Amino acid sequence: GENVEQHPSTLSVQEGDSAVIKCTYSDSASNYFPWYKQELGKGPQLIIDIRSNVGEKKDQRIAVTLNKTAKHFSLHITETQPEDSAVYFCAASIDEGSYIPTFGRGTSLIVHP
Amino acid sequence: DVKVTQSSRYLVKRTGEKVFLECVQDMDHENMFWYRQDPGLGLRLIYFSYDVKMKEKGDIPEGYSVSREKKERFSLILESASTNQTSMYLCASSHGPKAFFGQGTRLTVV
Repeated sequence: GENVEQHPSTLSVQEGDSAVIKCTYSDSASNYFPWYKQELGKGPQLIIDIRSNVGEKKDQRIAVTLNKTAKHFSLHITETQPEDSAVYFCAASIDEGSYIPTFGRGTSLIVHP
Repeated sequence: DVKVTQSSRYLVKRTGEKVFLECVQDMDHENMFWYRQDPGLGLRLIYFSYDVKMKEKGDIPEGYSVSREKKERFSLILESASTNQTSMYLCASSHGPKAFFGQGTRLTVV
């Protein structure tokens, strides 16, 4: 089955800095890669996703890049703000059938004011 | 907006009790999931269902069962709660690949 590795497990940055979280996956059939943000006391919320036919996708201060050959994808947050502090999860799945995502172990991002 | 509602935010149960965690979604999604979240281990899939009365085991089904009698409702059952089942439980639903989560139920078994 699919295996998703996520690094780092914790990331501490100053407000205004950029943050990068990296994930690798094992199953070359995976073609859908979502990122989730989990704030304290809440369930994970989808913030951005990318499909394997696209190399990069941006949404305001967040972007995701995908390297299919190397089987890795990354989340980039620019101009970080304290409200970006949360746990971020990457996931990989196949965009057909039962669409079961396999999640990474999560990255706790702390943005210091 | 999709809404996935879990019946309890916090639960405290005694060892050996039968525990029911309820989840309801309002978007007519086919797929529903139960995950367990523990520090350092991420989200681990317990069971999923792709249709009414259909269920499939996930990665850690031992000690759990599920029920899906109606499309909008997916229940997780701990047949005899144990202390190692103390955890955060997350329900999700999806149509296609995008999953939407509930707010979670933090279960403590004493």
